Amino acid sequence: NAGVTQTPKFQVLKTGQSMTLQCAQDMNHEYMSWYRQDPGMGLRLIHYSVGAGITDQGEVPNGYNVSRSTTEDFPLRLLSAAPSQTSVYFCATAGGGTATDTQYFGPGTRLTVL
Amino acid sequence: SQKIEQNSEALNIQEGKTATLTCNYTNYSPAYLQWYRQDPGRGPVFLLLIRENEKEKRKERLKVTFDTTLKQSLFHITASQPADSATYLCARFDSGNTPLVFGKGTRLSVIA
Repeated sequence: NAGVTQTPKFQVLKTGQSMTLQCAQDMNHEYMSWYRQDPGMGLRLIHYSVGAGITDQGEVPNGYNVSRSTTEDFPLRLLSAAPSQTSVYFCATAGGGTATDTQYFGPGTRLTVL
Repeated sequence: SQKIEQNSEALNIQEGKTATLTCNYTNYSPAYLQWYRQDPGRGPVFLLLIRENEKEKRKERLKVTFDTTLKQSLFHITASQPADSATYLCARFDSGNTPLVFGKGTRLSVIA
């Protein structure tokens, strides 16, 4: 039972490049979300999903796309990376269809955009 | 949007003392408050959840309170140890499909 996995752990991109951050969970959780964490800013929600086929925007969605075709996976796409997207990205899941329950976080992806 | 604030960025205390961390919220009371611990280089880990109609919750050396009059939650670690040094985050959940909103965290250092 791996819980929440994120790949890659580290990534360096050049401005304008695109990439996908992967998040997978084997807990059959309906609720999944993406946060970014920057020094002094705390955790800020990018996008979230209450179930397969349903996504919604969080506090800082600009520059990011998501889709949820399966319960297990919730990839985060950066279409054209910018230095302002340098951050640590965390994926989190929760058991019910809402954020009520305990959130389980992945280990994070550290992204640097040059 | 509803906010949640952890006013202290950092807190240093001596080993054996009780650490008290504060979380304040604005406007109406959230349905739940959650507390998480985050170690450097790792994702947050859930510690405790307290509901609006609960005044206090305990788990081992941890205690959380919810004061709807002061619009505040306090997080206590009794008999603190150096291993308790970490960043502690509070988060609010309001209702329905609204997402969890996190505070910026308080970095606790327990000095031996």
